[in-house]
Amino acid sequence: ETGVTQTPRHLVMGMTNKKSLKCEQHLGHNAMYWYKQSAKKPLELMFVYNFKEQTENNSVPSRFSPECPNSSHLFLHLHTLQPEDSALYLCASSQASQSGNTIYFGEGSWLTVV
Amino acid sequence: QKEVEQDPGPLSVPEGAIVSLNCTYSNSAFQYFMWYRQYSRKGPELLMYTYSSGNKEDGRFTAQVDKSSKYISLFIRDSQPSDSATYLCAMSAAGAGGTSYGKLTFGQGTILTVHP
Repeated sequence: ETGVTQTPRHLVMGMTNKKSLKCEQHLGHNAMYWYKQSAKKPLELMFVYNFKEQTENNSVPSRFSPECPNSSHLFLHLHTLQPEDSALYLCASSQASQSGNTIYFGEGSWLTVV
Repeated sequence: QKEVEQDPGPLSVPEGAIVSLNCTYSNSAFQYFMWYRQYSRKGPELLMYTYSSGNKEDGRFTAQVDKSSKYISLFIRDSQPSDSATYLCAMSAAGAGGTSYGKLTFGQGTILTVHP
């Protein structure tokens, strides 16, 4: 069982839909992240939350809206997406107070925009 | 120029072979180096973690970092079909005060197939 749980695992949505991805970490970490993984491209960092505060927004379009209600939960709200947004969206967590960057990923949510 | 370069492969080897996976990078501020393994349709799992230059061994896996050459490697000895996966290198610089927040820069990943 992974310490980072993502739901749903698969999502198909139209360009006018609104949906949300959910992430929960059971590792006691205080930092959470959203990464995007597209075919033939490196993992791209989207958002960073440290102690529930957003500390990084890596020039992500506003059609992606993150929410971090507490240090264990992270959401990614999606609206008016484009087909090129189809990708694997990975949630991750780490203990931000330590030196280094050992981050742990969830299984990912496969998103298809039609 | 990409910050991290990794040959995407694919790489196909027979069972029992020694596998060498490599990444080069351009940012001299990188101090933390990781290798992740990602099975098909799964999330990446942390395989090896090293700080600065040197070697680290864990079972059949050895990670090497050469900061002077900006080059990192992962060696897999006695490779098994279960090692078939995509291997991602990742690295980061230390943040202020010696901490950082998971701002990893990833390579593209190398697809490895170990055939029986």
